[in-house]
Amino acid sequence: ELKVEQNPLFLSMQEGKNYTIYCNYSTTSDRLYWYRQDPGKSLESLFVLLSNGAVKQEGRLMASLDTKARLSTLHITAAVHDLSATYFCAGGISGTYKYIFGTGTRLKVLA
Amino acid sequence: DSGVTQTPKHLITATGQRVTLRCSPRSGDLSVYWYQQSLDQGLQFLIHYYNGEERAKGNILERFSAQQFPDLHSELNLSSLELGDSALYFCASSVNGLGTGEQFFGPGTRLTVL
Repeated sequence: ELKVEQNPLFLSMQEGKNYTIYCNYSTTSDRLYWYRQDPGKSLESLFVLLSNGAVKQEGRLMASLDTKARLSTLHITAAVHDLSATYFCAGGISGTYKYIFGTGTRLKVLA
Repeated sequence: DSGVTQTPKHLITATGQRVTLRCSPRSGDLSVYWYQQSLDQGLQFLIHYYNGEERAKGNILERFSAQQFPDLHSELNLSSLELGDSALYFCASSVNGLGTGEQFFGPGTRLTVL
């Protein structure tokens, strides 16, 4: 069964700095998803990565997928306080009819 | 606003009781997924329904059950509640039933069992 692991679990960073969140998965996943969750709130879809080498960017966030390495990354450029949230990656395998979420990375951006 | 609605927003009940959580998917979406998120925990997949039929089960307790109705709304029934059932319960919807389409999450129901 698909397993999804994220690291780090917690990340405290200064405004203006760059950092990367890693998402490893255990077996072939058709697609990889990134979500953002603010405390006590719902999950907001950030990126859907469909194929090897896929790269998507939105503002200060950029996500990429390397299916050979079974790795997806979420890169944060010049962090700002508003990016403070928990970020989840999730994988899905066609035919299993379910998604498996990583444990989440709690990001805190310090002013 | 994702277009997915969940009611109630908050629910406080006692151990041993039974509750029903309701979810209406986005217009046009046939799949509904239920997740449980305990404090400081990730999302645990509970169950997936597609167009009225159960498609997949995850870590769902026997005390929990779900169904999806002809109008595609879904209900999650939790019975014999225990303190440990206190959590945020999310539903999500997607267009297809393959487990590979983009999911859209509802606002969640916060369940507190006293």
